[in-house]
Amino acid sequence: GDSVTQMEGPVTLSEEAFLTINCTYTATGYPSLFWYVQYPGEGLQLLLKATKADDKGSNKGFEATYRKETTSFHLEKGSVQVSDSAVYFCALSDVGGTSYGKLTFGQGTILTVHP
Amino acid sequence: NAGVTQTPKFQVLKTGQSMTLQCAQDMNHEYMSWYRQDPGMGLRLIHYSVGAGITDQGEVPNGYNVSRSTTEDFPLRLLSAAPSQTSVYFCASSYDGSSGNTIYFGEGSWLTVV
Repeated sequence: GDSVTQMEGPVTLSEEAFLTINCTYTATGYPSLFWYVQYPGEGLQLLLKATKADDKGSNKGFEATYRKETTSFHLEKGSVQVSDSAVYFCALSDVGGTSYGKLTFGQGTILTVHP
Repeated sequence: NAGVTQTPKFQVLKTGQSMTLQCAQDMNHEYMSWYRQDPGMGLRLIHYSVGAGITDQGEVPNGYNVSRSTTEDFPLRLLSAAPSQTSVYFCASSYDGSSGNTIYFGEGSWLTVV
């Protein structure tokens, strides 16, 4: 079945540092890929997505490129802020054209940014 | 601009009790689903629905029941709570079934079973 693997956390950075959170996936077809963010005490919010190979999703300074050849969707940000402290989830949608609202999630990566 | 609304936000249950987590969306979405979030395991799908009157099991359905009598509502029932059901529960919805469709989540319900 489908699966998503994220880099082990937690990740601790100083403000303005460069961020990379690795994400790789296994799927039989051509899934859509997502990054969701969960701030403390809140629900999940969509951060960015990409629906086909070589697409780049971007939002709030975060970027991720859908790499079919390496089955990866790594999240990057050039300069993190304290307000970026959150849990980040990589996810993919079900393959086959219809997702029926189903996502397969990675285990989540906790990011803490210090001033 | 409510989106996906879940109630209650916090609940403590005794083992063996039953309860219902409520979920409502006001976006006229056809697809709704329930996930549970456990430390180190991401979110796992419990049940989902592709429209009113239609539901199906996800990855971890045991101990949970759902129904979808209206487009707006998708309640999750715990039939006889067990400590293993201590978790954070998220309801989600999406407009249609296309693979790239954005899925919207509620704010979560924190459940503790003692």
